[in-house]
Amino acid sequence: GNSVTQMEGPVTLSEEAFLTINCTYTATGYPSLFWYVQYPGEGLQLLLKATKADDKGSNKGFEATYRKETTSFHLEKGSVQVSDSAVYFCALGTGTASKLTFGTGTRLQVTL
Amino acid sequence: SAVISQKPSRDICQRGTSLTIQCQVDSQVTMMFWYRQQPGQSLTLIATANQGSEATYESGFVIDKFPISRPNLTFSTLTVSNMSPEDSSIYLCSAYYWDRVFVTDTQYFGPGTRLTVL
Repeated sequence: GNSVTQMEGPVTLSEEAFLTINCTYTATGYPSLFWYVQYPGEGLQLLLKATKADDKGSNKGFEATYRKETTSFHLEKGSVQVSDSAVYFCALGTGTASKLTFGTGTRLQVTL
Repeated sequence: SAVISQKPSRDICQRGTSLTIQCQVDSQVTMMFWYRQQPGQSLTLIATANQGSEATYESGFVIDKFPISRPNLTFSTLTVSNMSPEDSSIYLCSAYYWDRVFVTDTQYFGPGTRLTVL
C-alpha cells in the first residue's frame, strides 16, 4: 500500500536559516505529491504540489522536487521566518480528487 | 480560497457517550472526507461522505462506530459513538475545491475538532 515517511520533529531553526524537511514515499503507480502546512489553530493548507517526476513545486519561498529515483519530495526554504513556524505534512495522492496518504508531520519552530 | 468550519472546536467527553461533529463548507462540493489524527500520528482517512448515499468507510472504520451524514452539498456530520479514551484525537473534515493558484482541484481542510475522552 501507499505510505509516507517524514523526518521526526521538532525542528528548531534561527530566523534566516536554511530549512530542509525530508519526505520519502512508497506508492504503486505514479502518485501526486503534496506538502501541507498547519498553522496553530488552523486547518491544513496546501503549500505546494508536484504531479510527475522532476516537477518542482514552489510557493511562498518553499520548494520541493519530485524525485522518482529516490522516491523523495524534500521540502526546502532558503531563509525561514518566525511566521513559518507550523507543522508541515507530506502527502501523496493517486488519481484526481483522490484520498490522500499523509506523513506524521514535522513541527518547525523558528526563533529570532 | 475555500472556507471550511467545524463545530465544536474541542470537547471533553465521558466514556460511553457520543459526540457529533459538524462540518460546513462555503460552497457546494462533491466530495467531503473525514480524517482522524491521533496524538503523534499522521492523518488517517475514516471515510468519504457521499451526498445522497451511505458513506464509504476505510479499512478499520465501521458505520456503527462512526456514523456519517451528508444531507446536502455543503454540510456533513461525523458521530463518534460509545467513546473510549482511545478515541481521543483531532477529527478533521475536508473537501475538494477548484484552486485558482494551483489550477487544479485541491483538498482543503477544516481547523479540526480536538476530542478528549476521559
